Amino acid sequence: GDSVTQMEGPVTLSEEAFLTINCTYTATGYPSLFWYVQYPGEGLQLLLKATKADDKGSNKGFEATYRKETTSFHLEKGSVQVSDSAVYFCALASGAGSYQLTFGKGTKLSVIP
Amino acid sequence: DAGVTQSPTHLIKTRGQQVTLRCSPKSGHDTVSWYQQALGQGPQFIFQYYEEEERQRGNFPDRFSGHQFPNYSSELNVNALLLGDSALYLCASNLGLAVRDTQYFGPGTRLTVL
Repeated sequence: GDSVTQMEGPVTLSEEAFLTINCTYTATGYPSLFWYVQYPGEGLQLLLKATKADDKGSNKGFEATYRKETTSFHLEKGSVQVSDSAVYFCALASGAGSYQLTFGKGTKLSVIP
Repeated sequence: DAGVTQSPTHLIKTRGQQVTLRCSPKSGHDTVSWYQQALGQGPQFIFQYYEEEERQRGNFPDRFSGHQFPNYSSELNVNALLLGDSALYLCASNLGLAVRDTQYFGPGTRLTVL
């Protein structure tokens, strides 16, 4: 079945550091890939997405490139801020008529001043 | 533009009781999905409703049931509550059946079973 594997957290970075959160997936067909962010006490917000191979999703300084050959969708940001502290989830929706999202376990990011 | 809303925010129940959670989709959306997020885990898909029918179901027992109303709002019902049902229950909405575009999530209902 479909699955998403994210790097284990928590991740603690200093402000302005470079961020990478690794995400790899197993899926049937050609999935769409997503990064969602969850701030403390809140629901999930879509951060970015990519729907086909080699697409790059970007938003708020975050980027991720859909790599079909390595089945990966790593999240990156060049300079993190304290306000980026949250839990980040990688997710996929696979195949045509995909009715559900399959999520990774999440990676908690803490950014310290 | 109203986003996805859920009620109540928090709920405390005891084992064996029944609970109903409610969700209103984002304006213009007609499809509602429910997810269970245990503490420290990613959300797990429960089921999806479209045109007032359950269209797909995840690996959850029949104690979990739902309903969609003509105005597209939805309810999640859980019978015979177990301690393990304690979780954040998230509702998500989108337009049409497929989620390859974007699902928008509500803030969730935190259910505690004692």
